[in-house]
Amino acid sequence: NAGVTQTPKFQVLKTGQSMTLQCAQDMNHNSMYWYRQDPGMGLRLIYYSASEGTTDKGEVPNGYNVSRLNKREFSLRLESAAPSQTSVYFCASSNTGGGQPQHFGDGTRLSIL
Amino acid sequence: DAKTTQPNSMESNEEEPVHLPCNHSTISGTDYIHWYRQLPSQGPEYVIHGLTSNVNNRMASLAIAEDRKSSTLILHRATLRDAAVYYCILRDIGDYKLSFGAGTTVTVRA
Repeated sequence: NAGVTQTPKFQVLKTGQSMTLQCAQDMNHNSMYWYRQDPGMGLRLIYYSASEGTTDKGEVPNGYNVSRLNKREFSLRLESAAPSQTSVYFCASSNTGGGQPQHFGDGTRLSIL
Repeated sequence: DAKTTQPNSMESNEEEPVHLPCNHSTISGTDYIHWYRQLPSQGPEYVIHGLTSNVNNRMASLAIAEDRKSSTLILHRATLRDAAVYYCILRDIGDYKLSFGAGTTVTVRA
């Protein structure tokens, strides 16, 4: 059982380049999330998708776009990467509701030069 | 969002219990108390959650004060693998996001 799978695991970009981070879950969860974690800090929510066909902004959405491709997949796109977007990106999924735990992937470590 | 307060760090000896406190004096009636942990270079891992009553699972126990203004995560026998940052998070029943603070860094001595 793979859980939440993120690709790639590592990536180095130059300023201005674009990139899409991929996330897939095999737990039949309705909700999916993208977080970023900067060094020494807690996670911050970028975007989330409460259910297939819907997406909403989180705390730090500027510079990002998302696509909920189907129930399993939720991608995060950087259209024009900036050094401030250097971070570790985590995808998560859960069933609907505040009492439901979120299950996280292992992260994508992104460096922007 | 209701806020939580945790100590920055705690140390424990291997095979001894660890009690991690969390204060959440502004908790509302519809806030669940969640605990996650993050091992080095890994994504957060769900540990346990509860609403009003104490909860037990294979990883830990959660003790919730009667007034719900504080809670304690209990690791019954710490192992080296339990060394991680532990996050106490309040999440409203209708909310989707988890708001992570700085957490408590737990060090386990062999």
